Amino acid sequence: DAGVIQSPRHEVTEMGQEVTLRCKPISGHNSLFWYRQTMMRGLELLIYFNNNVPIDDSGMPEDRFSAKMPNASFSTLKIQPSEPRDSAVYFCASSYPGSPLHFGNGTRLTVT
Amino acid sequence: QQQVKQSPQSLIVQKGGISIINCAYENTAFDYFPWYQQFPGKGPALLIAIRPDVSEKKEGRFTISFNKSAKQFSLHIMDSQPGDSATYFCAAPTTSGTYKYIFGTGTRLKVLA
Repeated sequence: DAGVIQSPRHEVTEMGQEVTLRCKPISGHNSLFWYRQTMMRGLELLIYFNNNVPIDDSGMPEDRFSAKMPNASFSTLKIQPSEPRDSAVYFCASSYPGSPLHFGNGTRLTVT
Repeated sequence: QQQVKQSPQSLIVQKGGISIINCAYENTAFDYFPWYQQFPGKGPALLIAIRPDVSEKKEGRFTISFNKSAKQFSLHIMDSQPGDSATYFCAAPTTSGTYKYIFGTGTRLKVLA
């Protein structure tokens, strides 16, 4: 079991640029979650998918953020345009009914 | 917005001591209450979890105590070790069956050798 795989591990970009974060959930997991972690706000749920369908995106901070899950083994979180306040660690997690969340190791995003 | 209040923010314990972290939740779905452990540079990893139909669950040195009437649950780490030094998060489900969790703000534990 490879676990939840996120890429890249680190991303440094300039304000205004587009950023795409990627996630491969654990095979067989039908729920996928994107979280953002900062010192000030802790772990915040941005969006979650069930069977590839977005169920709740109420945590997405602005229209600059978008997420897709084109198939059961891949999801992206896109920020366009990026801003310095978007700097954080972004985690992807997956689960199936009756299981806990399994997190990836995150993408540390720095927007300068 | 629903909250999960976690305390203390940080904790320093001597090796062999007991570490206690507390969480209080608001109205929530009564599915499953997990604790996660996070080391620097890693994602949170499930440590132990409890269903609300039991008041206590023990796994090795880790114990969860659950008080449904008070809407509180706590993590006890017995015989704390330097390797336990990490950040611990509690979480509570907001909607039954969907595993949409709200996380506490985290407790940074340091166990002195």
